[in-house]
Amino acid sequence: AGVTQSPTHLIKTRGQQVTLSCSPISGHRSVSWYQQTPGQGLQFLFEYFSETQRNKGNFPGRFSGRQFSNSRSEMNVSTLELGDSALYLCASSYASGGYTGELFFGEGSRLTVL
Amino acid sequence: AQSVAQPEDQVNVAEGNPLTVKCTYSVSGNPYLFWYVQYPNRGLQFLLKYITGDNLVKGSYGFEAEFNKSQTSFHLKKPSALVSDSALYFCAVRPMNTGFQKLVFGTGTRLLVSP
Repeated sequence: AGVTQSPTHLIKTRGQQVTLSCSPISGHRSVSWYQQTPGQGLQFLFEYFSETQRNKGNFPGRFSGRQFSNSRSEMNVSTLELGDSALYLCASSYASGGYTGELFFGEGSRLTVL
Repeated sequence: AQSVAQPEDQVNVAEGNPLTVKCTYSVSGNPYLFWYVQYPNRGLQFLLKYITGDNLVKGSYGFEAEFNKSQTSFHLKKPSALVSDSALYFCAVRPMNTGFQKLVFGTGTRLLVSP
């Protein structure tokens, strides 16, 4: 099975919060999150490896994430703004040290903020 | 800081003709380079990567890419385009010798193959 994300679509209103889930490919220990919008393209949010955040993009603190011992990951966006409307993509990889392989992406969670 | 430029928002080509989607990059040190494709309302699918070695890299669905260090380019090519190749293509870069998996993506190029 590939990378699984849920929910696939959701609609929220400004000020609410949202939690998105990602299950990586079995055996993959790294999970990364990206935001995709028409205006900004694909922007890196953060990367988790063995339950530790080891890299973070340039997003406000309203964006947070975590990774569980089974490598599943969640990201949370609090106090939603209209500009948070986007496709949120999760990617996994085996990822350790000098791993040179590609990332495997899920189908994404499309968030609409009204 | 690393960056990727895809100078064309859209590339139009007739089915059966060769296609090229351009990508240039900027990174400190040697790069890992990737191409991904995205179909409507879907995630990104990996096409090919350059790590080291032969400058011509072959990937999925008949695509290939040529790494040119002097021009810092990694153009995606296919000898004969198919209508089904119509999609959004992203070039991405990651510096070598880092454990981080962060990719920096270009803005994407929409490929439209006409019958």
